[in-house]
Amino acid sequence: QVTLRESGPALVKPTQTLTLTCTFSGFSLSTSGMCVTWIRQPPGKALEWLALIAWDDGKYYSTSLKTRLTISKDTSKDQVLLTMTNMDPVDTATYYCARITSGWWEDYWGQGTLVTVSS
Amino acid sequence: EIVLTQSPATLSLSPGERATLSCRTSQSLGSYLAWYQQKPGQAPRLLIYDASNRATGIPARFSGSGSGTDFTLTISSLEPEDFAVYYCQQRSTWPRTFGQGTRLEIK
Repeated sequence: QVTLRESGPALVKPTQTLTLTCTFSGFSLSTSGMCVTWIRQPPGKALEWLALIAWDDGKYYSTSLKTRLTISKDTSKDQVLLTMTNMDPVDTATYYCARITSGWWEDYWGQGTLVTVSS
Repeated sequence: EIVLTQSPATLSLSPGERATLSCRTSQSLGSYLAWYQQKPGQAPRLLIYDASNRATGIPARFSGSGSGTDFTLTISSLEPEDFAVYYCQQRSTWPRTFGQGTRLEIK
């Protein structure tokens, strides 16, 4: 059974750095073709793709956010981390992690975690 | 970056009716487009991948078509549980991008 769960602070202050953790089970990020991706959704708005890390440690980022994002993995812990620097109130959103397999689409998603940026 | 434009923004229909949702892209994708359904308070769910393939467990009333820059999601006969927001997404070129969504509401 594949599951993913996002965790991290619910509230961060402007200019702070956000670190989110995606803890997964039911698959291994060491397996060829496996990837984990991060997507966010501001309240009432559309989905926004953020970043992806692949089994071979390949990394891809949103064009508009790439200077602020870092994605990494800890295969031994079955975790993927996303760091976003210089947080702003416009970054308030639900952040999702999702699995991508050799089919290259997000087939399993976490429930999401709401992050509010406010002083 | 590839821009995906979904239309209409909102579609008001009754159960039993046919729904047709459109996704147009700023560059050709081949068939590298997917559709997701999202209900309030839930994560998105993969419906259609590679333009026309139903994901596991997706009912046959959902179908996808198109290639290049014009894609369509069709729901042949709406069930009450189909009223939700639908997003298209491309994976042809990095970064992956989503459309702005179509809200399917009960008329």
